[in-house]
Amino acid sequence: DSGVTQTPKHLITATGQRVTLRCSPRSGDLSVYWYQQSLDQGLQFLIQYYNGEERAKGNILERFSAQQFPDLHSELNLSSLELGDSALYFCASSVGTDGYTFGSGTRLTVV
Amino acid sequence: TQLLEQSPQFLSIQEGENLTVYCNSSSVFSSLQWYRQEPGEGPVLLVTVVTGGEVKKLKRLTFQFGDARKDSSLHITAAQPGDTGLYLCAGVDSGGSNYKLTFGKGTLLTVNP
Repeated sequence: DSGVTQTPKHLITATGQRVTLRCSPRSGDLSVYWYQQSLDQGLQFLIQYYNGEERAKGNILERFSAQQFPDLHSELNLSSLELGDSALYFCASSVGTDGYTFGSGTRLTVV
Repeated sequence: TQLLEQSPQFLSIQEGENLTVYCNSSSVFSSLQWYRQEPGEGPVLLVTVVTGGEVKKLKRLTFQFGDARKDSSLHITAAQPGDTGLYLCAGVDSGGSNYKLTFGKGTLLTVNP
């Protein structure tokens, strides 16, 4: 157990739908990062939050949004889902620059 | 955009063999990290290299950071089936709370018994 908890582990949904992925960071970590992993693109940075505020944005689509709550957990919202959104979505947390601690990911399948 | 190129993309070897995987970039990073990812799990940090020319050892794994801090290599001696996994390098951009990693696409290593 890495200390970063992601739910759900698997999600199957239809095109056009909306889903919410949840992440609880490791205790004491203020930063949360979301990544998308696919076979052809590898790990792509989506967005970073630090203590409730958005700090950096990567290749995140406009259909996707995220937030970090006062208790530091974070949610990634994916809407108007397309087949190409099928991927593994990882959340990671960190304190300082000692490296990321990743969760086990959510495998999203859009059918 | 800073890009990290990893090679080879796939590597399949027999138990006991040695191997080296590479991570190259045209950009300078403040430091570089190596992660290993196993199926169904998130990446796990193996090591961070900070200084140009730095060499770090982790049991049978040897990590080296290039002098110009643009490239790195991972050498595994006498590979074991338990070394099987996706090896990812990540370049670190750090600036206060805006610490961000850029990942390469990884080397998928299979060690056959």
